[in-house]
Amino acid sequence: DGGITQSPKYLFRKEGQNVTLSCEQNLNHDAMYWYRQDPGQGLRLIYYSQIVNDFQKGDIAEGYSVSREKKESFPLTVTSAQKNPTAFYLCATDSGQPDIQYFGAGTRLSVL
Amino acid sequence: AQKVTQAQTEISVVEKEDVTLDCVYETRDTTYYLFWYKQPPSGELVFLIRRNSFDEQNEISGRYSWNFQKSTSSFNFTITASQVVDSAVYFCALSEYGNNRLAFGKGNQVVVIP
Repeated sequence: DGGITQSPKYLFRKEGQNVTLSCEQNLNHDAMYWYRQDPGQGLRLIYYSQIVNDFQKGDIAEGYSVSREKKESFPLTVTSAQKNPTAFYLCATDSGQPDIQYFGAGTRLSVL
Repeated sequence: AQKVTQAQTEISVVEKEDVTLDCVYETRDTTYYLFWYKQPPSGELVFLIRRNSFDEQNEISGRYSWNFQKSTSSFNFTITASQVVDSAVYFCALSEYGNNRLAFGKGNQVVVIP
């Protein structure tokens, strides 16, 4: 199946813990994005990567980190520095500007 | 900086009624792209339409139609003869040329009552 796979679907974080959200794609897209969605809010950009081994901060990068070692994968780590991590996280990809971004099914992160 | 405003938060309609969602955008670029996405309860965003700033032709696709007016910086979306399956959150978004970062509005929650 072609598409974008996010895992896990639900994730719980303990105080002081780092957690990693997975995003994998087999669309052969160059660009990948991470968004955060809070209830009643639009999506806000955390990080994005337009090519392997390169990534840029978005609007709310503090408390998050990413890597892009492979074209297919763009994991997001929510660090202990992120004091309010409870949100819905969406990964997206596209093949370059101008293009349509396609989204994964999301990961819902909660704090225990 | 790019900005998208969707004024209505929740809109309830009875099945078969039409519903129009307003989107107003701000950008300094002359070349930009406008999008509508649908987010059903499952959470995944589903792409509906993209328009570039040079194409003001309005479009109809089945029960969906879009009205793009550069003069008022608006890109409105209408669902005709709404159905229960249309219940979702709808997002308007904008990207500027050379920068594929999407700026999203806060979304419109559409509730279709059977």
